[in-house]
Amino acid sequence: KNQVEQSPQSLIILEGKNCTLQCNYTVSPFSNLRWYKQDTGRGPVSLTIMTFSENTKSNGRYTATLDADTKQSSLHITASQLSDSASYICVVSARYSSASKIIFGSGTRLSIRP
Amino acid sequence: NAGVTQTPKFQVLKTGQSMTLQCAQDMNHNSMYWYRQDPGMGLRLIYYSASEGTTDKGEVPNGYNVSRLNKREFSLRLESAAPSQTSVYFCASSIGLAGAPDTQYFGPGTRLTVL
Repeated sequence: KNQVEQSPQSLIILEGKNCTLQCNYTVSPFSNLRWYKQDTGRGPVSLTIMTFSENTKSNGRYTATLDADTKQSSLHITASQLSDSASYICVVSARYSSASKIIFGSGTRLSIRP
Repeated sequence: NAGVTQTPKFQVLKTGQSMTLQCAQDMNHNSMYWYRQDPGMGLRLIYYSASEGTTDKGEVPNGYNVSRLNKREFSLRLESAAPSQTSVYFCASSIGLAGAPDTQYFGPGTRLTVL
């Protein structure tokens, strides 16, 4: 069964600290993996997208890694800011996918404390 | 450039009532999608339209119908609302080119409560 599991479910850190969010997936055949940021009451916004041949992608203070062999991805946030408080969603797509093969994780809720 | 817009933002229905959620995009995207998001769960695909004139069922289509009115607009209809349809509904669009990684752009959501 195609699944995307994220950990932790929630995380609280102090402003300025770094953190790493995890994503494990069983989606096959793999096409690409994306990380989205979803602010409370808003729609998700894309942060990064990685295909099979890419193992790291950065977007400012966000760095995503992908290990296609172990089917794991991580999102590292450096020098966190209050505006980073949001849910972070891992999304995995199957190769030559129709939309029905896009699988969303349930997200990690990150809270940044001053 | 408004991106993806949805109306209404909030709606309260009684069981058995019907309503249509509207979605429009101004990015000339081929593909459009409707998702629902429930607490503690990932977004689940209700219906999608790979291109103008086509629609297909997603993971949770029961109780819903869709219309791809034109390239810009994709509506979602609840014919007889049930409390289980209480959720936040998101519309999304993407370029929709075969074989290419396809980033989806989401609207702000419609928060629906069915009493």
